[in-house]
Amino acid sequence: GAGVSQSPRYKVAKRGQDVALRCDPISGHVSLFWYQQALGQGPEFLTYFQNEAQLDKSGLPSDRFFAERPEGSVSTLKIQRTQQEDSAVYLCASSLAYQQGGNSPLHFGNGTRLTVT
Amino acid sequence: AQKVTQAQTEISVVEKEDVTLDCVYETRDTTYYLFWYKQPPSGELVFLIRRNSFDEQNEISGRYSWNFQKSTSSFNFTITASQVVDSAVYFCALSQTGANNLFFGTGTRLTVIP
Repeated sequence: GAGVSQSPRYKVAKRGQDVALRCDPISGHVSLFWYQQALGQGPEFLTYFQNEAQLDKSGLPSDRFFAERPEGSVSTLKIQRTQQEDSAVYLCASSLAYQQGGNSPLHFGNGTRLTVT
Repeated sequence: AQKVTQAQTEISVVEKEDVTLDCVYETRDTTYYLFWYKQPPSGELVFLIRRNSFDEQNEISGRYSWNFQKSTSSFNFTITASQVVDSAVYFCALSQTGANNLFFGTGTRLTVIP
């Protein structure tokens, strides 16, 4: 189908390694979001793109987290020098709308489960 | 500050029973949106409903219904005649109008026993 695609599905990293998580949003979706979901918790907002512009990165937990969407479609979330507390599912979502208040809901991918050992 | 509370961590029901999932929210905003999402074992979050704070009409969609009461800051979700396929984690979420992010509750894991 033409849903949001995330890769890899699972990632195991040793503490201190850098990782890159990829998100392919639905074609034509303007807005792209990254969320972090710890085990047994609800997703927590990390960052938001409108096309290629990163308009909100207030949820990024530290400067080890970096996200980009250079051509306004595919996005990559990079985590440098991973720590055990980074272990979580990272969810990507896209939307036709420019903001949450628009008429188009968020479409989520299946997520990438990151385990830092 | 925004906060969403889903006090029920886990619920188990027998197939065909009705079940209500509770959601209580806190916000200082006068306009906001409320959402319900379903997260099956595959992991993706599936959108179920969005409700504008100005619209307190209850909504029914097939076996699903939602009860929005601003007076008690609640947005509860009822599944009628539950089915095994309803087994999932259900999240309630809140968004300020025009904001970029959703605030999620901690979710309620629903298990429907055949």
